Amino acid sequence: GQNIDQPTEMTATEGAIVQINCTYQTSGFNGLFWYQQHAGEAPTFLSYNVLDGLEEKGRFSSFLSRSKGYSYLLLKELQMKDSASYLCAVRDIGSGYALNFGKGTSLLVTP
Amino acid sequence: SQTIHQWPATLVQPVGSPLSLECTVEGTSNPNLYWYRQAAGRGLQLLFYSVGIGQISSEVPQNLSASRPQDRQFILSSKKLLLSDSGFYLCAWSPWGDRRSYGYTFGSGTRLTVV
Repeated sequence: GQNIDQPTEMTATEGAIVQINCTYQTSGFNGLFWYQQHAGEAPTFLSYNVLDGLEEKGRFSSFLSRSKGYSYLLLKELQMKDSASYLCAVRDIGSGYALNFGKGTSLLVTP
Repeated sequence: SQTIHQWPATLVQPVGSPLSLECTVEGTSNPNLYWYRQAAGRGLQLLFYSVGIGQISSEVPQNLSASRPQDRQFILSSKKLLLSDSGFYLCAWSPWGDRRSYGYTFGSGTRLTVV
């Protein structure tokens, strides 16, 4: 099984940078994903890491260290619309390639 | 292109009533299919996954069941709903043997309230 931990809530200021951490334990690791979820909506894909290192996509970057079971999502130049829940998920070969999600980090961006 | 349909969008059901939520995928064959539930203030919990017709794996023992009568159809059911079954139900699919770099495609979800 998996244990995926991430902070429950974070607050940051518009224009700033925020880092959301995620730690995990899994037996059949096949990738780590970050999703964004606005209230009442389905999650939408943000980023993917399967090898160690940093992946950058515009204002969003994600880092992975497989040996440490650690990832973070970095959001730059925060905008009000970035207020949402951010979900860390680990893909496991042993469950039909199912994604197992953390409980999510609720990010509030303030003016 | 592939699309996923999930309905209904919202549902209010009394305790003890049955449930049937349907999910269909178009534009692909032999997808992996998944049902998730998100209770208020909690993360996405994997309920069932299916790698083929008639093949259902349950991740959490509960009041719910799933079936896959056709390749691209996935149904979530209950004979008698409990208050604790309330939540946001999401269907998702991925190609068989998925190793894609973007994981799932989710349906739009069903908001179930049991009263």
